[in-house]
Amino acid sequence: GAGVSQSPSNKVTEKGKDVELRCDPISGHTALYWYRQSLGQGLEFLIYFQGNSAPDKSGLPSDRFSAERTGGSVSTLTIQRTQQEDSAVYLCASSLVGQVYEQYFGPGTRLTVT
Amino acid sequence: AQTVTQSQPEMSVQEAETVTLSCTYDTSENNYYLFWYKQPPSRQMILVIRQEAYKQQNATENRFSVNFQKAAKSFSLKISDSQLGDTAMYFCAAAKPGATNKLIFGTGTLLAVQP
Repeated sequence: GAGVSQSPSNKVTEKGKDVELRCDPISGHTALYWYRQSLGQGLEFLIYFQGNSAPDKSGLPSDRFSAERTGGSVSTLTIQRTQQEDSAVYLCASSLVGQVYEQYFGPGTRLTVT
Repeated sequence: AQTVTQSQPEMSVQEAETVTLSCTYDTSENNYYLFWYKQPPSRQMILVIRQEAYKQQNATENRFSVNFQKAAKSFSLKISDSQLGDTAMYFCAAAKPGATNKLIFGTGTLLAVQP
């Protein structure tokens, strides 16, 4: 079946602008994660959604970052008033829940803030 | 809090040879999971192998195997018969079963397989 998809693949934006990044998880996966991969760094957890439960937002770096998941499927990560330090690859993953199942990753969105 | 450390930023191996990537972790949990992910230039993260901490037997997936030393908190990845397609960033990660199951990643090792 189809894997996790993300759009856009690449995004260049000017400092101060808002951006929206989209993630379509695998059908049937109720758990959805956002991670950030900065140059030379590992992946950093941002936010977690599971079904209708309140999301775990503990990894969001500032209040400029927010995310939502509509209808338990598609998720959008929004970064307001982008800064140059927001430049990174943003990866989305989805999984089944109950155990620590394999997280299936999308190809990521490379965000460049100029 | 869990932490994961990969002390080898880059490694190189000749095609058909064997290479071992190192990973250490720190956790106070008794039950946890450890993973190795591969990230080729396409950016797609691919699960290579998974180990459950309560299982003493080392996990194996074809040419990939781990050396899990629980007391030493070490989780190394051995790649046998290295192939050109193994060239990628390799990330070690840990997760604690619970409400979130979020992955805690190391900083990665860039592996280059030379022809």
